[in-house]
Amino acid sequence: GENVEQHPSTLSVQEGDSAVIKCTYSDSASNYFPWYKQELGKGPQLIIDIRSNVGEKKDQRIAVTLNKTAKHFSLHITETQPEDSAVYFCAGDTGRRALTFGSGTRLQVQP
Amino acid sequence: DAGVIQSPRHEVTEMGQEVTLRCKPISGHDYLFWYRQTMMRGLELLIYFNNNVPIDDSGMPEDRFSAKMPNASFSTLKIQPSEPRDSAVYFCASSLMGQGDTEAFFGQGTRLTVV
Repeated sequence: GENVEQHPSTLSVQEGDSAVIKCTYSDSASNYFPWYKQELGKGPQLIIDIRSNVGEKKDQRIAVTLNKTAKHFSLHITETQPEDSAVYFCAGDTGRRALTFGSGTRLQVQP
Repeated sequence: DAGVIQSPRHEVTEMGQEVTLRCKPISGHDYLFWYRQTMMRGLELLIYFNNNVPIDDSGMPEDRFSAKMPNASFSTLKIQPSEPRDSAVYFCASSLMGQGDTEAFFGQGTRLTVV
């Protein structure tokens, strides 16, 4: 089955700096890669996703890049703000209709 | 729509007791998922349903866990008997289609503590 590895496990940045979180996956059949944000006491919420026929996708301050050859994808957050502080999860899908999640990255944005 | 609704938000129970977690998915969503979140193992898929039928329960840890979906608007996850290692946050999620096709919406979770 799919195995998704995520790093770093924790990331601390200064407000205004950029943050990058990286994930690798094992199943070359995977074709959908979402990113979820989980705030304290809440369930994960989708923030951006990318499909295998696209190499990059951007939505305001967040972007995701995908390298299918190397089987890795990354989340980029620019101009970070304190409200970006949360746990971020990457995930992969192989068409079995359910996601396999990475282990999560706790992002702390220091004001 | 109010989103995915889970109850209770918090549950504290003694080892050996039966625990039932409840979920109301978003109306019209055909898929329902149960996840367990712990520090050690992260977010694990336990089971998911399509049109009220269990499709994949390979993530259910053992026979003490069971899940049902008697109708399109309600699902339960039951643990009997409960053990301290079952302590975790349990999430229910629903999606219009499979998670590879459409966004999955998560509930607020149920924090279970077994003492």
